[in-house]
Amino acid sequence: DAGITQSPRHKVTETGTPVTLRCHQTENHRYMYWYRQDPGHGLRLIHYSYGVKDTDKGEVSDGYSVSRSKTEDFLLTLESATSSQTSVYFCAIYPGGNTGELFFGEGSRLTVL
Amino acid sequence: DQQVKQNSPSLSVQEGRISILNCDYTNSMFDYFLWYKKYPAEGPTFLISISSIKDKNEDGRFTVFLNKSAKHLSLHIVPSQPGDSAVYFCAESFGGGYQKVTFGTGTKLQVIP
Repeated sequence: DAGITQSPRHKVTETGTPVTLRCHQTENHRYMYWYRQDPGHGLRLIHYSYGVKDTDKGEVSDGYSVSRSKTEDFLLTLESATSSQTSVYFCAIYPGGNTGELFFGEGSRLTVL
Repeated sequence: DQQVKQNSPSLSVQEGRISILNCDYTNSMFDYFLWYKKYPAEGPTFLISISSIKDKNEDGRFTVFLNKSAKHLSLHIVPSQPGDSAVYFCAESFGGGYQKVTFGTGTKLQVIP
């Protein structure tokens, strides 16, 4: 158990509304990531963080923002949700080591109507 | 452009037989390749990795082969078991502080009892 909790696990919202997904870790790891999983695309990196207040964009960052005010929490915000953001969102942590192994949360399924 | 490609979206194998999952990549500048396994409604979990300087790594029923000249990676599962039924993602990682991990599109393996 990597100590990663995502909330909410399921959410249905309407186009144009703001949505925030939360990732909480219990082990104080420096690196945290947000990925989205879509059929035919696998897992794609949205944003990542390398410390408190230190974040950067991934390959599909348009329409998303992130914040990390505490080591343990990494928030993903959709300022104005669109139907194309319907997806399953995974948070991950990198605890260190050479292989690049990431540990993932259980996912948050978001449906934008 | 997809840097890590899994050209077979699905694979069905009889229990006890060998499962071979394939992955092609374009960028030779990686440190490790990793395989992740994902069950429905769960986050991906790490399965096995291989260093860029190796051509084979084995862990129990799972063996990963790396052919650098062909830029091809394969995962062999012998013998296949029904519990192996899942989606398998290959991923390449680049080292350093921040781990840049790029995933393939996934292959859904079904092991038939």
